[in-house]
Amino acid sequence: DADVTQTPRNRITKTGKRIMLECSQTKGHDRMYWYRQDPGLGLRLIYYSFDVKDINKGEISDGYSVSRQAQAKFSLSLESAIPNQTALYFCATSDFSIAGGGDEQFFGPGTRLTVL
Amino acid sequence: GESVGLHLPTLSVQEGDNSIINCAYSNSASDYFIWYKQESGKGPQFIIDIRSNMDKRQGQRVTVLLNKTVKHLSLQIAATQPGDSAVYFCAETRPGTYKYIFGTGTRLKVLA
Repeated sequence: DADVTQTPRNRITKTGKRIMLECSQTKGHDRMYWYRQDPGLGLRLIYYSFDVKDINKGEISDGYSVSRQAQAKFSLSLESAIPNQTALYFCATSDFSIAGGGDEQFFGPGTRLTVL
Repeated sequence: GESVGLHLPTLSVQEGDNSIINCAYSNSASDYFIWYKQESGKGPQFIIDIRSNMDKRQGQRVTVLLNKTVKHLSLQIAATQPGDSAVYFCAETRPGTYKYIFGTGTRLKVLA
């Protein structure tokens, strides 16, 4: 079974609709992240959470909100979807690095969202 | 089909040859670097990492080289196989920060 799962895998919606993307992990990691990926651009961070009580904005949080329901679950919501939110969305997890500095991130399979 | 790979530089190599994929990173304070592989329809997959106190690190068929002087990272894949066809991108991060900076990627095509 996959360690990081995302649902749905594909979603088509209309402008103005509220959408929720869900992420679950079985790795036991405290840290979870939401990214979006657009053609020709690197992954960009939307929100991240270092534990259940810790939620932080990333570089492109406008138009998005998140909820960390449990250590294993981190959901991303688009309150009122707009066409330029059409993208691939990835959830990722990581553990605290004993060595300090960076640590490996494990990615889910992604959700392809299309906003018409 | 996948739209992620549009507009990416492409490296085409013959099966069995070695591949070298390059990445210029942005921050001289970055001290941890990762190479990811992303196949069509899948999320990025960790390949190999390196910390700034090293110049070279080897894995199975892959080697990462780090040149801090010119802020350059490379991924070498030995005896490239069809299953290596994917988009490869690097990521960097600095000490004590959550933030990863991801490159846009290079598409590797393996020719039979």
